Amino acid sequence: QVQLKESGPGLVKPSGTLSLTCDVSGGSISSGAWWSWVRQPPGKGPEWIGEIYHGGDTNYNPSLKSRVSISVDKSKIQFSLNLSSVTAADTAVYYCARWRPREAAFDMWGQGTMVTVSS
Amino acid sequence: EIVLTQSPGTLSLSPGERATLSCRASQSVSSSYFTWYQQKPGQAPGLLIYGASSRATGVPDRFSGSGSGTDFTLTISGLETEDAAVYYCQVYVTSALTFGQGTRLEIK
Repeated sequence: QVQLKESGPGLVKPSGTLSLTCDVSGGSISSGAWWSWVRQPPGKGPEWIGEIYHGGDTNYNPSLKSRVSISVDKSKIQFSLNLSSVTAADTAVYYCARWRPREAAFDMWGQGTMVTVSS
Repeated sequence: EIVLTQSPGTLSLSPGERATLSCRASQSVSSSYFTWYQQKPGQAPGLLIYGASSRATGVPDRFSGSGSGTDFTLTISGLETEDAAVYYCQVYVTSALTFGQGTRLEIK
């Protein structure tokens, strides 16, 4: 059973860079799935940030594209998110998730990690 | 950019009743790429329905999805107290994903 777990700082200063890592356990990161980041501001719906394939191909939400970078480290079986020039609007619970192309759905999610942007 | 509008915002029903949740897309989408999730407090969203009408593994058959084009529906028959949650629709279009704003289902 694949499990995902996010890690990273819970507090980031405005104008700084938010960096998170998702560890994938119990399965292969080269399984044919895409690996995504999704965030959810308090009391709001989820927002897709972007995704990466094990080969390195990426897709990003157009509204965040200029500030987002997602990378994968197959040797460590993890993928990472960098979001630059953050503001209070980037405060949210950040989830990593597995996207299954055949179902066109997220079938596995991490527990989520709360990131607050504040000085 | 596709916008998904869910209605109602909040639904309050009693155990045993039927819940009907709606999701409308701002333009026609493929039902193959339409999904419903359930989110309980403090948890990540969980996959309920994919391909507009296929239940995910382990999802009870009281949950059903339907629809096509711009209008999609999630129906929960014979509500149970454990169905209290926020339900989100989501669509995938050309390497981009969009979620609705959610419908909160309360069980009286």
